[in-house]
Amino acid sequence: GQQVMQIPQYQHVQEGEDFTTYCNSSTTLSNIQWYKQRPGGHPVFLIQLVKSGEVKKQKRLTFQFGEAKKNSSLHITATQTTDVGTYFCAYSGYSSASKIIFGSGTRLSIRP
Amino acid sequence: DVKVTQSSRYLVKRTGEKVFLECVQDMDHENMFWYRQDPGLGLRLIYFSYDVKMKEKGDIPEGYSVSREKKERFSLILESASTNQTSMYLCASSLRGGVAGLVTDTQYFGPGTRLTVL
Repeated sequence: GQQVMQIPQYQHVQEGEDFTTYCNSSTTLSNIQWYKQRPGGHPVFLIQLVKSGEVKKQKRLTFQFGEAKKNSSLHITATQTTDVGTYFCAYSGYSSASKIIFGSGTRLSIRP
Repeated sequence: DVKVTQSSRYLVKRTGEKVFLECVQDMDHENMFWYRQDPGLGLRLIYFSYDVKMKEKGDIPEGYSVSREKKERFSLILESASTNQTSMYLCASSLRGGVAGLVTDTQYFGPGTRLTVL
C-alpha cells in the first residue's frame, strides 16, 4: 500500500535559522496538503499542492511538490518563535478524495 | 468561520466503561472524521462519514464505533474502554470530498478531547 515517510521527526533550530521538513512517498500522490499544529492546539490547514513541480509561497514558507509527485517539502526561511509546532503532510489517494492520510509530523522547536 | 466543537477537552474514564465523544460542526459539511493522535504516530483515522447514517472504517477502527444521525453531529463510541485507548481524539469536518484523484477539501479540526482510561 501507499506509504509516506515524513522526516525529520524533530528539529531544534536557533531562531533565524532555516527549517525544512520532507514527505516522501513510495507511490505517486494525487495531491498533498500541509497542516500546522501549535503546541496544545489542533491541526490547521496551510496549503494544498496538486500539480507536478508546483511551488507555492506563504510569506516565509515555501511549499514544493516534486516533479514525479512522490515527494514534497516545506521550507521556512529565518524561523521565528511563532513557527514552533508540528508540521504534518497529508495526502489522499486516487480512489477517494474524502479520506486523507497524515504523515507522522515534524516537531519544530526554536531557541530564542 | 467554520467551527468544530467537541463535547469535552479532558475526560477520565475507567477500564470497561462505555465512552461517548461528541463532535458538532456548524457549516453544513458533508464529511466528518475521527482521528486519534499519539506521540510519534501522527494522526490516525478511526472512522469517517460522508453522509448521514453513512460511515467507513479508517485505519484503526477496532474497539470503536460511530454514529451520525444528523448531518452536523458525529459521535465516537468506545464500547468498553481500555487503557490502550488513552489518547488525544480529534474530530474534523470537510465540505465535501473534493474530486478523487485531484483535489481534497480542507479539513477543519476541533480542539480535541484528551481521554485517559484508568
